[in-house]
Amino acid sequence: GENVEQHPSTLSVQEGDSAVIKCTYSDSASNYFPWYKQELGKGPQLIIDIRSNVGEKKDQRIAVTLNKTAKHFSLHITETQPEDSAVYFCAASMAGGSYIPTFGRGTSLIVHP
Amino acid sequence: NAGVTQTPKFQVLKTGQSMTLQCAQDMNHNSMYWYRQDPGMGLRLIYYSASEGTTDKGEVPNGYNVSRLNKREFSLRLESAAPSQTSVYFCASSEGGSFTEAFFGQGTRLTVV
Repeated sequence: GENVEQHPSTLSVQEGDSAVIKCTYSDSASNYFPWYKQELGKGPQLIIDIRSNVGEKKDQRIAVTLNKTAKHFSLHITETQPEDSAVYFCAASMAGGSYIPTFGRGTSLIVHP
Repeated sequence: NAGVTQTPKFQVLKTGQSMTLQCAQDMNHNSMYWYRQDPGMGLRLIYYSASEGTTDKGEVPNGYNVSRLNKREFSLRLESAAPSQTSVYFCASSEGGSFTEAFFGQGTRLTVV
């Protein structure tokens, strides 16, 4: 089955810095890679996703990049703000089928004011 | 628009007791999922229902049963609760069967003593 590794487990940055979270996956059949943000006491919320037919996707201060050859994808947050503090999860799945996603173990991002 | 609603939000059970966690979505999604979240373990799939009338085991199904009551509702039952089932449980739904653009509920925090 699919295996998703996520690093780092904890990331501490100063407000205004950039943050990068990296994930690797094992199954080359995976073609859909969502990222979720989980604030304390809440359920995960989809913040951005990417499909394997593109290499990069941006939405304001967040971006995701995908390297299919190396089987890794990354979340980039620029100009971090204290409200970006949360746990971030990556996942790998196969859109269009019944392939159930596998999640990474999460990264706790702390943005210091 | 409520999205995915889980009840109850908190529950304490004694070992051996049974209970049912309820989940309902109002987005007309076909697929629904139950995850458990434990510290350092990320999100692990318990059961899922790709469409109304079907259910399948996920990564950690032992000790649980599910019912897809109709398109909106997907319940998770613990027949004889054990301390190892202490966790936060999340229900999620997606339009298709591959978890694309999935939405999560707010979670049920369950403690088994």
